[in-house]
Amino acid sequence: EAAVTQSPRSKVAVTGGKVTLSCHQTNNHDYMYWYRQDTGHGLRLIHYSYVADSTEKGDIPDGYKASRPSQENFSLILELASLSQTAVYFCASSEEGYAEQFFGPGTRLTVL
Amino acid sequence: AQSVTQPDARVTVSEGASLQLRCKYSYFGTPYLFWYVQYPRQGLQLLLKYYPGDPVVQGVNGFEAEFSKSNSSFHLRKASVHWSDWAVYFCAVYNQGKLIFGQGTKLSIKP
Repeated sequence: EAAVTQSPRSKVAVTGGKVTLSCHQTNNHDYMYWYRQDTGHGLRLIHYSYVADSTEKGDIPDGYKASRPSQENFSLILELASLSQTAVYFCASSEEGYAEQFFGPGTRLTVL
Repeated sequence: AQSVTQPDARVTVSEGASLQLRCKYSYFGTPYLFWYVQYPRQGLQLLLKYYPGDPVVQGVNGFEAEFSKSNSSFHLRKASVHWSDWAVYFCAVYNQGKLIFGQGTKLSIKP
């Protein structure tokens, strides 16, 4: 069964601090994605990657960096966390860009 | 620009009643379309997908959707809802390597 795991599952960070969210997939998928979900909103794409060692900007990349060191791992980095980055973050993977995306359980980030 | 609109933020139906959740898309050409479901405190799961072909697609748990090019719509339907269908439903369109999601429709079930 396809599996996407995220760590941590929840985190409290201080304003101005650095936060790293990690995602690991065992699907052997080339595509990986980071989304954020805010209460009452849909998912918005932050960064994505279709090959290791390369990342692409999504629709809302400002304030975020991404890293894809291997096919299995995809990290989201907040260098200077801000209050507005409080949200739930989802990682997903897919075999192709147009194919089904498999989502992780999410990371609830609270920035104080 | 490519986009997805789900006009109903919230829908409430009685258990056993039929359901339609609306989705309108904006896309130049023939789109690839998806419906995902998000149960409480979980990630999204695929319900069904449309790739160009038969306009009516079947999904899991008795869900189906119908693609209409003339109406730019991809509405989700179910003949008889169950309390376990209580969730948020997202419509999405594929565009240049990524999915564009609608805002979601929160479905509540009356006993």
